[in-house]
Amino acid sequence: QQQVRQSPQSLTVWEGGTTVLTCSYEDSTFNYFPWYQQFPGEGPALLISILSVSDKKEDGRFTTFFNKREKKLSLHIIDSQPGDSATYFCAASEGAYKVIFGKGTHLHVLP
Amino acid sequence: ETAVFQTPNYHVTQVGNEVSFNCKQTLGHDTMYWYKQDSKKLLKIMFSYNNKQLIVNETVPRRFSPQSSDKAHLNLRIKSVEPEDSAVYLCASGDWGGYAEQFFGPGTRLTVL
Repeated sequence: QQQVRQSPQSLTVWEGGTTVLTCSYEDSTFNYFPWYQQFPGEGPALLISILSVSDKKEDGRFTTFFNKREKKLSLHIIDSQPGDSATYFCAASEGAYKVIFGKGTHLHVLP
Repeated sequence: ETAVFQTPNYHVTQVGNEVSFNCKQTLGHDTMYWYKQDSKKLLKIMFSYNNKQLIVNETVPRRFSPQSSDKAHLNLRIKSVEPEDSAVYLCASGDWGGYAEQFFGPGTRLTVL
């Protein structure tokens, strides 16, 4: 079965530090890679996304990198804040119905 | 307000009962989804549906079925619930023709006793 492997499972960083989450995938047909952020009691919400034709996308403190050759992507959060504490999911997709989510990373940012 | 709405927020029931969860989206999307999120936060897609096509994840037990009256509504019915059905059920919507950005509702937490 197609998989998206995400690591680490859990991560604790100090406020102001840099958070790095990574994912890898297998299916070469995937062409869209979103990252979702989920707070307790809420559904996941799109944080940032990247297409396979790009290798980097920034949005404020959040940057996602994509390496097509290695089939890897990462999410970097600079100046991490306690409010960033949440579960983060990477996903890989081809079209609207073929979407595979990673298992999530539980991020804790300590003040 | 444009969003994905789910009811109820939570539901507690006994093994063997039938339950139904509602989902409505006001985002104008043509595709809706149901996901199951277990206690470890694992997200598993169950159904993808637009007015043309229903795609069912082959691992979903037959006691689960989606029900749609129009493209803005996709309900989930579970006949004869079992203990392993305890989870959060998330509804999402998106555009079939676009990239797979999905907008999620807040979820319905099901507890089966």
